[in-house]
Amino acid sequence: KAGVTQTPRYLIKTRGQQVTLSCSPISGHRSVSWYQQTPGQGLQFLFEYFSETQRNKGNFPGRFSGRQFSNSRSEMNVSTLELGDSALYLCASSLVPLSGNTIYFGEGSWLTVV
Amino acid sequence: TQLLEQSPQFLSIQEGENLTVYCNSSSVFSSLQWYRQEPGEGPVLLVTVVTGGEVKKLKRLTFQFGDARKDSSLHITAAQPGDTGLYLCAGHSGTYKYIFGTGTRLKVLA
Repeated sequence: KAGVTQTPRYLIKTRGQQVTLSCSPISGHRSVSWYQQTPGQGLQFLFEYFSETQRNKGNFPGRFSGRQFSNSRSEMNVSTLELGDSALYLCASSLVPLSGNTIYFGEGSWLTVV
Repeated sequence: TQLLEQSPQFLSIQEGENLTVYCNSSSVFSSLQWYRQEPGEGPVLLVTVVTGGEVKKLKRLTFQFGDARKDSSLHITAAQPGDTGLYLCAGHSGTYKYIFGTGTRLKVLA
């Protein structure tokens, strides 16, 4: 069974630009959550989607947004990029919302803002 | 704010040694997971513990969930270079999100 797929794996953007990252969950998984990982802050929860609805949101500014499609695929968008947005963005999927169910991570998208 | 503190933060040991990594919180978690992450990759799930006092073994790795479900430990016996990586614990808070630990970076020298 295919794992969580994230695209693109690596990208470089300029300050002020926007970026869209994509995540395809494991087949049959309906919940997708997003995380930002940096050396200084560790792994931090961004948001979670289930049935095309945002269920929960972490403490990130409104420049970070996401959505989920009817096929459970999800995208996250960061607008007006700042240097501090450089990070590994991880997507994870689970069968149902994060109520103790196991989450499985993708390999991540490395974003560098210059 | 729920926090998961891991200790030690960094650990460098020789092949064959034993080690224990701790994950502590003042909050109760309904479940707790351990992940290992290698450079440039996403975290890979090692184990999920749900019941207070639960002990799970995965080859040379032993995981324990505290009786009060506030802490956990990971013990590695006879560490090997392949065990090198970032170990993360993650607690489920019951509010539809996971709280991740601060991480323990392990290096096992051959």
